[in-house]
Amino acid sequence: AQTVTQSQPEMSVQEAETVTLSCTYDTSESDYYLFWYKQPPSRQMILVIRQEAYKQQNATENRFSVNFQKAAKSFSLKISDSQLGDAAMYFCAYRFLMNRDDKIIFGKGTRLHILP
Amino acid sequence: DAGVTQSPTHLIKTRGQQVTLRCSPKSGHDTVSWYQQALGQGPQFIFQYYEEEERQRGNFPDRFSGHQFPNYSSELNVNALLLGDSALYLCASSLDRLAGVYADTQYFGPGTRLTVL
Repeated sequence: AQTVTQSQPEMSVQEAETVTLSCTYDTSESDYYLFWYKQPPSRQMILVIRQEAYKQQNATENRFSVNFQKAAKSFSLKISDSQLGDAAMYFCAYRFLMNRDDKIIFGKGTRLHILP
Repeated sequence: DAGVTQSPTHLIKTRGQQVTLRCSPKSGHDTVSWYQQALGQGPQFIFQYYEEEERQRGNFPDRFSGHQFPNYSSELNVNALLLGDSALYLCASSLDRLAGVYADTQYFGPGTRLTVL
């Protein structure tokens, strides 16, 4: 069965510094999708970044980038130049889409604190 | 462009009651998925609707049922509420998997906070 593990329940970073959130997953599939979502106190789950497993190039969205290691089944999120508005819960998610099969699995999340 | 909307925002029910939550997908989306998020946990997949039918289901009892309307909006119904059903219920919309690029990406609504007393 597929699983997603976020081993850091909480992290803190100084404003303007860089922080990396870890995520590992387990799957026997070769083609899937990975996501990082941000959930601020407002509860709205916001897509941060997505990665297609068949692409070797790491996805980047402005200050957010990932380190996707397919063989190691690792998918970490790097936030550069951290801002106060980055404080939130961050969830790593795995999605497998094939014919009628659609599996979507979230990790338990990492709470990120930004220190002014 | 309207995003995913959900109603109501908050709801308080007592054990044994029934509840209906509503979701309108993002404009242009035809697939709706529902999640339960307990406090301090990640979302757990309940089920997904496409073409007015339940296409995929997670590990939830039959007390959880749903419906999708021709305009792609959806309802989640929970019968015989238990204390453990207290959670944030999230709706996410996406394009059907055969739609091509970005059909894999789900967009979430703000959620409905259900409290069962």
